[in-house]
Amino acid sequence: DIQMTQSPSTLSASVGDRVTITCRASQSISSWLAWYQQKPGKAPKLLIYLASSLESGVPSRFSGSGSGTEFTLTISSLQPDDFASYYCQQYYSRWTFGQGTKVEIK
Amino acid sequence: QITLKESGPTLVKPTQTLTLTCSFSGFSLSSNGEGVGWIRQPPGKALEWLALIYWDDDKRYSPSLNNRLTITKDTSKNQVVLTMANMDPVDTATYYCAHRDANNRGDYWGQGTLVTVSS
Repeated sequence: DIQMTQSPSTLSASVGDRVTITCRASQSISSWLAWYQQKPGKAPKLLIYLASSLESGVPSRFSGSGSGTEFTLTISSLQPDDFASYYCQQYYSRWTFGQGTKVEIK
Repeated sequence: QITLKESGPTLVKPTQTLTLTCSFSGFSLSSNGEGVGWIRQPPGKALEWLALIYWDDDKRYSPSLNNRLTITKDTSKNQVVLTMANMDPVDTATYYCAHRDANNRGDYWGQGTLVTVSS
C-alpha cells in the first residue's frame, strides 16, 4: 500500500505569511493527490484535487503543485480563517492520508 | 446537493462488533462511478482510511484492518454499513463516511460520529 509522508507536523505562522506544506508519496501517484482542511470538531473540507485543481468555492490564495511523489500546498497570504489542520490524500490506489499539518498562530 | 450522515452507537465494549450506518442523499450508489468510503480519526490524531465500496459492489479495505472490516450497501435505502469486529479501546475515534466521485475523490463528507470503546 502507498504511504504518505507530510511535513512539517506543526507550523507557526502569522497572518499574511506565505505557507508551504509538503507531502511525499512512497511511490508514484501521478497527480492523484488531494488536500483537505480540517477545523476542530468538523469534517475535512476538500481544497485541492488532481494535485493542483482548486475545488469550487475555495479561495485562490490556496494552490497545489507537484506530481509523481512530491507535492506541495501553498497558502500565499495566510488569513485568520486558515488556522487549521491540513491533510494530503492519495487516491491513485484506494485512499491514504498523510499525518497532517497543524497551522498555528505565531 | 450531496449529503451524508453517520449513525450508530456512541459507546461499545471491548471485543464487541461495531456497526455504523452512512445514510446519504443526492447521488445513487447504483450509478456508474459512485462510491462511499469510511475514514476514522482518533482524538487529536490523523485521518485513517478504512474502506471503500463502489457502485458495482467492488470493495476495498485498509490492509491493516482488513480482517476486521466489512462494508456493504443497500442501494434501495441509500445506505452503506460498516462493521468492525473485535473492538478495542484504541479504536476510539470519530468515524466519517464520504462520497467517492467518479475520479475517486472524497468530495463530500458526513459530520462524523464519535465512538468510544470502553468497558
